[in-house]
Amino acid sequence: EVQLVESGGGLVQPGRSLRLSCAASGFTFDDYAMHWVRQAPGKGLEWVSGISWNSGSIGYADSVKGRFTISRDNAKNSLYLQMNSLRAEDTALYYCAKDMGYDILTGYTLDYWGQGTLVTVSS
Amino acid sequence: SSELTQDPAVSVALGQTVRITCQGDSLRSYYASWYQQKPGQAPVLVIYGKNNRPSGIPDRFSGSSSGNTASLTITGAQAEDEADYYCNSRDSSGNHPRVVFGGGTKLTVL
Repeated sequence: EVQLVESGGGLVQPGRSLRLSCAASGFTFDDYAMHWVRQAPGKGLEWVSGISWNSGSIGYADSVKGRFTISRDNAKNSLYLQMNSLRAEDTALYYCAKDMGYDILTGYTLDYWGQGTLVTVSS
Repeated sequence: SSELTQDPAVSVALGQTVRITCQGDSLRSYYASWYQQKPGQAPVLVIYGKNNRPSGIPDRFSGSSSGNTASLTITGAQAEDEADYYCNSRDSSGNHPRVVFGGGTKLTVL
């Protein structure tokens, strides 16, 4: 059974940093691209970032580019999102999601999602 | 960046057929994937590719595409289909890999 478990969310002040983690199990992690998708309270889904199976290709939404960094550790079956210079508008539930393919240059179909970790940016 | 446009809300009578649409330039190059999200739950993939359903998704869900418009059709809508539905695809503009989601459609089953 595929499982994606996010952690690391919490309340943080504007301008500070937070690192999210996603622990994956039930599939061969290093065969697939992975993504972070967020959802602000009462709002729709927003793609944040994606990373290919071997970290060779990485993409970011314009809203987070230069502030967020995605990474993965295939030996630990884990995905990460380093979030710096956080803003109030980054407040959201952050989902980790598995791509059906291995490369974000071609992939966008997300077949498994975690339950999310809530990030609240407020003073 | 590319955008995907969805109607904010759609309603359907129980047992009837409903079509949810998604428009965007990227859909001329890529099929849309569709996700169902119920309150308090993570999204679930329901349609991908030309018209493919993941295991466990009822066959009343189907997908189609024409030009810049993708459609998700529910034939014989059930009460449990009441949810938010999102489309997504690749962002076909620019040289950087990006994914884009539609704004979502809230489906009410009457």
